[in-house]
Amino acid sequence: DSGVTQTPKHLITATGQRVTLRCSPRSGDLSVYWYQQSLDQGLQFLIQYYNGEERAKGNILERFSAQQFPDLHSELNLSSLELGDSALYFCASSAARRIDEQFFGPGTRLTVL
Amino acid sequence: QQPVQSPQAVILREGEDAVINCSSSKALYSVHWYRQKHGEAPIFLMILLKGGEQKGHDKISASFNEKKQQSSLYLTASQLSYSGTYFCGTVSGNTPLVFGKGTRLSVIA
Repeated sequence: DSGVTQTPKHLITATGQRVTLRCSPRSGDLSVYWYQQSLDQGLQFLIQYYNGEERAKGNILERFSAQQFPDLHSELNLSSLELGDSALYFCASSAARRIDEQFFGPGTRLTVL
Repeated sequence: QQPVQSPQAVILREGEDAVINCSSSKALYSVHWYRQKHGEAPIFLMILLKGGEQKGHDKISASFNEKKQQSSLYLTASQLSYSGTYFCGTVSGNTPLVFGKGTRLSVIA
């Protein structure tokens, strides 16, 4: 158990819909990262927050957005969902801003039908 | 820029050794190694920093050649528990951690 929690575990929805994925980092960790992992694909970095502020952006679509709240939990919002958005979404946390071990949550499996 | 890993996949018998390579076209500040078992979250293995030493624990170690922008992960006397997909991630300049596509390692009895 990494100490990072993600909800829900599974999500099945239809094209065009909007969903919110939630992540609670390890106690004391200030950085939260979001990754997308499609079938047989690597980990695609989406976005990072550090202590409530956006720190770095990766290949995140305009239909996707995220935020980190004062209690440090984070949410990833995915809208106008397409079939290609079906993937495993991981949240990770670390203590530092950049160079540090990342602890991954169990992931949310999103299926768009 | 995504680092390139090789090989893409490897099958070993228990007790055999393996080397997984990771290379980048950019000047690297650090290289990170993770292992992911099927259906599970990636687990941190180690970080190698520019100017740092070769690292390792148990029978898994890694090196970082700064001049060639390459890192290698060494698995010696492999065990069944080593099976999984190994990802290297790289940090250069002000970029966040970027992962390679992974190397799938299967250890068979």
